[in-house]
Amino acid sequence: DTGVSQDPRHKITKRGQNVTFRCDPISEHNRLYWYRQTLGQGPEFLTYFQNEAQLEKSRLLSDRFSAERPKGSFSTLEIQRTEQGDSAMYLCASSLTGTGGEKLFFGSGTQLSVL
Amino acid sequence: DQQVKQNSPSLSVQEGRISILNCDYTNSMFDYFLWYKKYPAEGPTFLISISSIKDKNEDGRFTVFLNKSAKHLSLHIVPSQPGDSAVYFCAASGTYKYIFGTGTRLKVLA
Repeated sequence: DTGVSQDPRHKITKRGQNVTFRCDPISEHNRLYWYRQTLGQGPEFLTYFQNEAQLEKSRLLSDRFSAERPKGSFSTLEIQRTEQGDSAMYLCASSLTGTGGEKLFFGSGTQLSVL
Repeated sequence: DQQVKQNSPSLSVQEGRISILNCDYTNSMFDYFLWYKKYPAEGPTFLISISSIKDKNEDGRFTVFLNKSAKHLSLHIVPSQPGDSAVYFCAASGTYKYIFGTGTRLKVLA
């Protein structure tokens, strides 16, 4: 296992369609995060899982967004009825608690373009 | 409310010289700070971190300084190399959530 894996790398969709992204964290990591990044901005926190429990959702995450992490392993992020404003890079990161200062390890991201 | 700020959107430095990237934060509850480097179309890569109980951490060419009273941290890269050209983000954490700055684009000129 070499790191956090995200799929797909790129997604182009039409407005109104649903999309789903997948993230496979580093295998022993119990925390998983989703961030969103737009041009000229830093990563913005969307949601966070500890094992399979989703412990926080940002107010940036509208009702059209849902994330899951069944069995505390991989995670999916679904966007329903996509809008042009959803175009961004969606980043997944994972970390391991109890290591005395947790470092987030990011995947390569999924670049979403909504036409 | 931007809790982590990087006020310099860009910085150009000659190869071999020192690069200094700055970051300010407002939340005194932050106790762990990190720097990430990002190339286009890739995810951020961890560079170096520092706990609030320290004021300096060094790793090879990279040194991070933390001034808690000023709520300021900086990343020093010495000597700068062309491969260091990228966008650098600082991040701060107080619990489990990491808040990122808007980034500084570093260009190292050969």
